[in-house]
Amino acid sequence: DTAVSQTPKYLVTQMGNDKSIKCEQNLGHDTMYWYKQDSKKFLKIMFSYNNKELIINETVPNRFSPKSPDKAHLNLHINSLELGDSAVYFCASSQSPRSSYEQYFGPGTRLTVT
Amino acid sequence: KNQVEQSPQSLIILEGKNCTLQCNYTVSPFSNLRWYKQDTGRGPVSLTIMTFSENTKSNGRYTATLDADTKQSSLHITASQLSDSASYICVVSLDAAGNKLTFGGGTRVLVKP
Repeated sequence: DTAVSQTPKYLVTQMGNDKSIKCEQNLGHDTMYWYKQDSKKFLKIMFSYNNKELIINETVPNRFSPKSPDKAHLNLHINSLELGDSAVYFCASSQSPRSSYEQYFGPGTRLTVT
Repeated sequence: KNQVEQSPQSLIILEGKNCTLQCNYTVSPFSNLRWYKQDTGRGPVSLTIMTFSENTKSNGRYTATLDADTKQSSLHITASQLSDSASYICVVSLDAAGNKLTFGGGTRVLVKP
């Protein structure tokens, strides 16, 4: 009965490859997010979708493209992977985009680019 | 300079002892402040969330305080347990309408028996 799930948990790939990370939530939430946690452990928001519509798009290279086929899924596709993309990527969801609502995080996907 | 600064960066305490973590922020305008617990290899889990009008909020052995005037918050852990070993992250929200959260770098707590 996992609330927010991500696949894969670990991803090791070479520079230049294209990869995708999938996220699913079974909480019935309207809003989903992608965060990046770097080696210094800072979490930074990348994207936010509400009802399949993009509402937050931080300064992220356009090699990163989120896709929301429905409210329960938000996938992250990364083209032409670079060494600096190595990080842990977290998906999260909340009932509403309003900041007073709780965000529930997935377990993370550790991406290593070699 | 990050808009949310946490101290100390890391902390070792003995099981059963109390500890206090600090969070100073410069984010403005301010809507709410959260404390998250992140176990190694897992996603953050919310402990408390406070609006600017709240001074304190508790969740079991965790008590968060907030001074919106000085832009400081603290998280107090009472009677620490081994399972409290984790990173504790302070998160400040810019405004209520959007959902832009600014994360601190966290304080890594290690509880030893």
